[in-house]
Amino acid sequence: EAEVAQSPRYKITEKSQAVAFWCDPISGHATLYWYRQILGQGPELLVQFQDESVVDDSQLPKDRFSAERLKGVDSTLKIQPAELGDSAMYLCASSQGRRETQYFGPGTRLLVL
Amino acid sequence: QKEVEQNSGPLSVPEGAIASLNCTYSDRVSQSFFWYRQYSGKSPELIMSIYSNGDKEDGRFTAQLNKASQYVSLLIRDSQPSDSATYLCAVISDYKLSFGAGTTVTVRA
Repeated sequence: EAEVAQSPRYKITEKSQAVAFWCDPISGHATLYWYRQILGQGPELLVQFQDESVVDDSQLPKDRFSAERLKGVDSTLKIQPAELGDSAMYLCASSQGRRETQYFGPGTRLLVL
Repeated sequence: QKEVEQNSGPLSVPEGAIASLNCTYSDRVSQSFFWYRQYSGKSPELIMSIYSNGDKEDGRFTAQLNKASQYVSLLIRDSQPSDSATYLCAVISDYKLSFGAGTTVTVRA
């Protein structure tokens, strides 16, 4: 069964350092999402791509976060510089279309010290 | 007001009982509704999707949708210890999937 791949699974970094997360969606899925989930809360959308274009980044803290999906396939989310409040689970999901079912990868758990 | 609200937990049920989870949403034009299960430290896993008013059954799970009341529910019949997890209600509105905070279910053996 096709799955969304993410790496790394865990990341520990110090504040002010740069971190990057990678996501490879299910083959053929045009829409890719990055979410952040804080413990005890539901996932919150950071950015949504349709193919290589950003269609929603309204909740992305653009002063420190950036995301790209250059060839419309895999994607990278970067944080620079990391802050203590960025400690969370970062989830990538993909779907065939913008109103279709989303499937999640295993996530990256980030701890900022 | 939050876009998606779930009944506060945690919910503890004995093995074999029915667990009932509730969710309300604020956007009346929402069209797609989902229940995800999330084990501690893991990512959300899709259990059910529902798009039309009424009931949808899949094994021990039944999702119920009432668009007039803006209400979605999930019933878990014959609850098993492996059902112990957090259940997330999610709603698509204007191409965006919004999640509730989740209800944690514990099934007592």
